[in-house]
This record gives sequence, C-alpha cells and structure tokens, in this order.
Amino acid sequence: GQQVMQIPQYQHVQEGEDFTTYCNSSTTLSNIQWYKQRPGGHPVFLIQLVKSGEVKKQKRLTFQFGEAKKNSSLHITATQTTDVGTYFCAGGKLIFGQGTELSVKP
Amino acid sequence: DGGITQSPKYLFRKEGQNVTLSCEQNLNHDAMYWYRQDPGQGLRLIYYSQIVNDFQKGDIAEGYSVSREKKESFPLTVTSAQKNPTAFYLCASTPRDRAGYGYTFGSGTRLTVV
Repeated sequence: GQQVMQIPQYQHVQEGEDFTTYCNSSTTLSNIQWYKQRPGGHPVFLIQLVKSGEVKKQKRLTFQFGEAKKNSSLHITATQTTDVGTYFCAGGKLIFGQGTELSVKP
Repeated sequence: DGGITQSPKYLFRKEGQNVTLSCEQNLNHDAMYWYRQDPGQGLRLIYYSQIVNDFQKGDIAEGYSVSREKKESFPLTVTSAQKNPTAFYLCASTPRDRAGYGYTFGSGTRLTVV
C-alpha cells in the first residue's frame, strides 16, 4: 500500500542552526500537508502544497513540493527554542509520515 | 470559539473492559477521523466518517468501533479485543473529505490499560 516515509526521525540542533526534514512517498501525491506537534500537545496544521514544484514560506519556514509530487521538505532557518516539537507530513489517502522530532539547544 | 473537544484527557482502563472516548466538534465539519499515536511514532488511522450514519475502517480498525449518529459527534469505543490499547488517541475533522483541507485536531485522550 501507499507509504509516506519521513527522515530523519530525530534532529538535535544548536539554536540558530538550520533544520530540514524530508518526506518521501512511494506514489504520486495529489497534495501534501505539514503539521507541528509540540511536546505533550496535538498536531497543528501548518500548510498545504498542491502544485508540482511549489514553494511556500511562513517566516523562517520554507516548504517545498517536488516536481514529481512524490517528495516534500520543510526547512527552518535559524532555529529557535520555540521550534521544538515533532513535524509531520501527511499525503495521499490520509497517510502520515512518522514525524521528525526536533530538539533545540539554547 | 469553534473547535474539537475530546474527553476525558486521561483514561485508565482495566484489561477486559470496553471504554468509549468522546469527540465533539462545533465547526460544522462533515468529515471526522480517529487516529492512534504511539510514543515516537506517527499517526495511524483507525476509522473515519465523511457523513452521518456512514464510516469506513482505517489501517488499524481491529478492536475498535465507532458511530456517527450526529454530525457533531464521533465517539470511539476501544473494546477488549484490542490487544494493545495503551496509546494517545486523537480525533480530527475537516470540512469534507480531507483532500484540500487541513485537519483540525482535538487535544487528545491518553488511554492507559492497568
């Protein structure tokens, strides 16, 4: 069946460093969504990408959707302690990636 | 404010007991979903419903049951047939079938079998 793989599983960075998480699908996706879950909290919708090659920005966060619509990435520039949490992608038929847990050392 | 309310926040169950988790939304959303999250893992779909009186199994429906008698409510019953029920359960909704709309999640219920 369809799978959405997300890497890395964990990422530890120093505050101010950049961070990237990648999402890869075994099949072409109609769209992809990104969510953030703070420790002890619930996932919160960040953004949706629909078009091939689409790039969207939200302040320090940059989201990309691959040309083949099989992969996506989330890049955070100059991480802050408020960025701590787990970032999930979700694509296809209600399929979530395993998430990337980001920790930021002040 | 509109949103999704899940209750209780924490739930303890003895082995062999059924337990029902509540999920209520006042967003006028058509579709509702139940996900299970285990520590360090992603979200796995249990059941979803696109309209009242209709629902479909997700990837891990065994040992669970749902009902959708009202648009606002989508309760999940964890039955004694579920072999490993300890997990974090998340309810979500979208205006219609998920394509094109982000999920709104409730704050979750942490179920522990004791």
